[in-house]
Amino acid sequence: NAGVMQNPRHLVRRRGQEARLRCSPMKGHSHVYWYRQLPEEGLKFMVYLQKENIIDESGMPKERFSAEFPKEGPSILRIQQVVRGDSAAYFCASSPPNSVSGGSGRGINEQFFGPGTRLTVL
Amino acid sequence: GDSVTQMEGPVTLSEEAFLTINCTYTATGYPSLFWYVQYPGEGLQLLLKATKADDKGSNKGFEATYRKETTSFHLEKGSVQVSDSAVYFCALMDTGRRALTFGSGTRLQVQP
Repeated sequence: NAGVMQNPRHLVRRRGQEARLRCSPMKGHSHVYWYRQLPEEGLKFMVYLQKENIIDESGMPKERFSAEFPKEGPSILRIQQVVRGDSAAYFCASSPPNSVSGGSGRGINEQFFGPGTRLTVL
Repeated sequence: GDSVTQMEGPVTLSEEAFLTINCTYTATGYPSLFWYVQYPGEGLQLLLKATKADDKGSNKGFEATYRKETTSFHLEKGSVQVSDSAVYFCALMDTGRRALTFGSGTRLQVQP
């Protein structure tokens, strides 16, 4: 069972360009989470999505950032008009639906993380 | 709001030494507590968790006990190996939420 996939692994953009980060959850997972890790800091929650719905976007910046998780295809984190301060590692995590134990016996709370996308804004 | 504070690194130990990484938290509800490990170039992996007071999480020789009275969840291992070198993150998930709140991470370096 493949893990959470993120691409690209590295992304370089110039100021003012758009960045699109993709996340494919683990098979059978319908919940996706995005986190941002600034240099020398811990991960900060951005947004929690289920298929076609944004459940919690309390950590998303009010401007330039958006996220979607369509019925088909990966989840997308989109950053418009990037600035240098957007340079960070962006991690996606997924978890199974509430009615599934997760297979490992660890319950519904475990989030499985992808390898991250490292965004550099020049 | 919720927050997690963990000791700053790097922590440098010799192989077979005892490890403690301190973690304290602030939460409004009754959170679940987690330790994640991040190896170079990889995503985070769940190391262990505890969902209520006095629970002990354990995995791969690592242990942590949920102490409500001191709001702590310190990570311990009796004998570290070079392969344990990584960044360790303490995290919480508060009641009714699915978002994880992370500490800033502690880098562990184990020397042979």
